Amino acid sequence: AQSVSQHNHHVILSEAASLELGCNYSYGGTVNLFWYVQYPGQHLQLLLKYFSGDPLVKGIKGFEAEFIKSKFSFNLRKPSVQWSDTAEYFCAVNGNYGQNFVFGPGTRLSVLP
Amino acid sequence: EPEVTQTPSHQVTQMGQEVILRCVPISNHLYFYWYRQILGQKVEFLVSFYNNEISEKSEIFDDQFSVERPDGSNFTLKIRSTKLEDSAMYFCASSPGAHSTDTQYFGPGTRLTVL
Repeated sequence: AQSVSQHNHHVILSEAASLELGCNYSYGGTVNLFWYVQYPGQHLQLLLKYFSGDPLVKGIKGFEAEFIKSKFSFNLRKPSVQWSDTAEYFCAVNGNYGQNFVFGPGTRLSVLP
Repeated sequence: EPEVTQTPSHQVTQMGQEVILRCVPISNHLYFYWYRQILGQKVEFLVSFYNNEISEKSEIFDDQFSVERPDGSNFTLKIRSTKLEDSAMYFCASSPGAHSTDTQYFGPGTRLTVL
């Protein structure tokens, strides 16, 4: 069965610090990879996605993620976080097994002003 | 920007009662989903719906659950006889097409509390 793991349950950073959130998946077939963000009190929003081409994908709000097939990883990065990035971040996978997402458990990011 | 909407935002019900959670997907979208998140756990897929029928469902989606698109705009999830363990946040999502690379747009969720 497909599964997604996220390395950190809760990350606390100061503003301007760099961010990297880990995501690993287990699935042997063709995958599509997504990062969603949920700001406090709001719905899940797409940050970025990868399905083919350049493994380094850029998303909204200065986020990027790199797909490393050999490591089954899709880590999310941002060079300099802001207080407004405080949110929960979810990695999700789907693929040729079906369209439905398998989500990771989420990483809560707290950015201190 | 068009959004997926869900009503109610919070539903409290007694065990054994039926509940209907409502969603209005984005108007030109074709593929609809329900997910749930039990407090402290992962977001889990329940069911997808396309062309007026269930496309995929998870093992969670047993006979207690049903989905319907009663008109051109609403997409509902019915739980026939709620159990305590059905307490969760239920998210509706829609996507423009039936391809796995299509972005799924999520609603704000309905928090279901079963007493």
